[in-house]
Amino acid sequence: DAKTTQPTSMDCAEGRAANLPCNHSTISGNEYVYWYRQIHSQGPQYIIHGLKNNETNEMASLIITEDRKSSTLILPHATLRDTAVYYCIWAGTYKYIFGTGTRLKVLA
Amino acid sequence: DVKVTQSSRYLVKRTGEKVFLECVQDMDHENMFWYRQDPGLGLRLIYFSYDVKMKEKGDIPEGYSVSREKKERFSLILESASTNQTSMYLCASLGLTNTGELFFGEGSRLTVL
Repeated sequence: DAKTTQPTSMDCAEGRAANLPCNHSTISGNEYVYWYRQIHSQGPQYIIHGLKNNETNEMASLIITEDRKSSTLILPHATLRDTAVYYCIWAGTYKYIFGTGTRLKVLA
Repeated sequence: DVKVTQSSRYLVKRTGEKVFLECVQDMDHENMFWYRQDPGLGLRLIYFSYDVKMKEKGDIPEGYSVSREKKERFSLILESASTNQTSMYLCASLGLTNTGELFFGEGSRLTVL
């Protein structure tokens, strides 16, 4: 099954980098890793995705280990508005399976 | 911008009623999904559809059915609602030509009394 393992919750000080880990040990070679976040009462929002190489966009950076069994989402300068639940998922052709995610609280 | 619209944000139904949750997307996406979200359980996939009239079961299809008669519309049906189906329901769509990003609707919160 397309399962991921994430810590249940994390705190981060405002302005500091937030590093959110994810284990996806059963991922196969052609499946992407995706990160989404969900702010209370809204639908999940796409952040970033990657296959093998590290990726960066305006929201975050994604570091994927060489064996692809884990990844880390980095929010370089966390703000209070980054408080949300963050989901790491990996997906084959159609089946996007979400886990329970990491509840990130950014502290002032 | 891609828009995924769920017909009702809040619904209250009685046990045994038939419930329809409608989802419409405006980007000609091939794939559409229904999830339910419950505290402590995250998002769980109920059904998905990769084409008109095509459907696949997700992790928790029991008690639900779906309909995809037109490409833009994916309906979730609760034939006989039960209290354990009280939940937030989220619809999503995915195009084959984009980056693999799922676009979600705002959700429908269903309460079954």
